[in-house]
Amino acid sequence: NAGVTQTPKFQVLKTGQSMTLQCAQDMNHEYMSWYRQDPGMGLRLIHYSVGAGITDQGEVPNGYNVSRSTTEDFPLRLLSAAPSQTSVYFCASSYGADQETQYFGPGTRLLVL
Amino acid sequence: DAKTTQPPSMDCAEGRAANLPCNHSTISGNEYVYWYRQIHSQGPQYIIHGLKNNETNEMASLIITEDRKSSTLILPHATLRDTAVYYCIVRPEASYNQGGKLIFGQGTELSVKP
Repeated sequence: NAGVTQTPKFQVLKTGQSMTLQCAQDMNHEYMSWYRQDPGMGLRLIHYSVGAGITDQGEVPNGYNVSRSTTEDFPLRLLSAAPSQTSVYFCASSYGADQETQYFGPGTRLLVL
Repeated sequence: DAKTTQPPSMDCAEGRAANLPCNHSTISGNEYVYWYRQIHSQGPQYIIHGLKNNETNEMASLIITEDRKSSTLILPHATLRDTAVYYCIVRPEASYNQGGKLIFGQGTELSVKP
């Protein structure tokens, strides 16, 4: 198993550009989540999904969209990037509601100029 | 979800036990205590979790006080590779529509020194 994979590893955007951060898992996990981590701070939940076709907002959802069309993939879309979205983004997945130890991906470092 | 309070940083000598405290005085009866750690620049890693009984696995032990208002994560023989930020998280027993939702605080930065 590859576990949780994220692409790209690093991205530079200009203000106003759009992009999609990719996240995939090959463990047949129902639950997937996106977090952001700013320097010196803990992780903050952006969006999460409890299964294909179902998503919900976390702590800091503004400026981000998600969809979950398959169990394996959970992309995060930035429609119009802003410097405040400069951060490290982590995707995570877990098997089920009662086995919720989360597996995290390696992260995507995003710089918005 | 109940809030947690952790010291911002701690030091530990290599080979000694590292005891990381966490206060969660507003914890409810159905809330679990989870511990994760994050080694620099990597994604967080699950360590252990518990409800009210003490728990032990290959990585660590979790001691929860009888009133459940605080807990301690114990790394029995800390190594340099245990240097990381450790997060204590309290959350309810997962329900279908809350799975995958973890709220991280600031954590404790543990430095293991030779």
